[in-house]
Amino acid sequence: RKEVEQDPGPFNVPEGATVAFNCTYSNSASQSFFWYRQDCRKEPKLLMSVYSSGNEDGRFTAQLNRASQYISLLIRDSKLSDSATYLCATLRGGYQKVTFGTGTKLQVIP
Amino acid sequence: DVKVTQSSRYLVKRTGEKVFLECVQDMDHENMFWYRQDPGLGLRLIYFSYDVKMKEKGDIPEGYSVSREKKERFSLILESASTNQTSMYLCASSPVRDSTTYEQYFGPGTRLTVT
Repeated sequence: RKEVEQDPGPFNVPEGATVAFNCTYSNSASQSFFWYRQDCRKEPKLLMSVYSSGNEDGRFTAQLNRASQYISLLIRDSKLSDSATYLCATLRGGYQKVTFGTGTKLQVIP
Repeated sequence: DVKVTQSSRYLVKRTGEKVFLECVQDMDHENMFWYRQDPGLGLRLIYFSYDVKMKEKGDIPEGYSVSREKKERFSLILESASTNQTSMYLCASSPVRDSTTYEQYFGPGTRLTVT
């Protein structure tokens, strides 16, 4: 079983829609969780960290469910510019190694 | 702004050649990482370094070695390139911080083709 699993998509949603991605992780010792965004042919960039209590940044909401070992990302009022691949990531202990999922592709259509 | 640069955006090498990929970061970060990214497999950690001259194997170190002689520079070496090493190689760096504010900064990537 992969350490971090994501549905690869693509998720094709109309502008203005709400879309949610889930990401499951297998290592219960994972300490911290993140969502990265990767545009086509670009490098990943941190979108947001995921806190135990859940956190929101504008149209983006991230949640963590430790009991079921998944994190989620909710995007409200989708924009064309949200089209990208969203990578979830977990931080392992020790030397701060991050494990990435394979990414979920989002395409927002006009 | 943090900047991570990689020596080449595109590289074409022949099987058996020795290949050097260079990465430089300008933010005095302690940690540096090399990943490869392949369709369907995502980002996989090859090696990382948490200090000068210190290195640790990642998940797929076979066929690769690394060098970190200076804090700002982390090199990935393919001793004898093979076609299955054709991939996008991404370098990243991060400061040592508490885990809740941890962020990795990536370079633009090097697309390596081994023929």
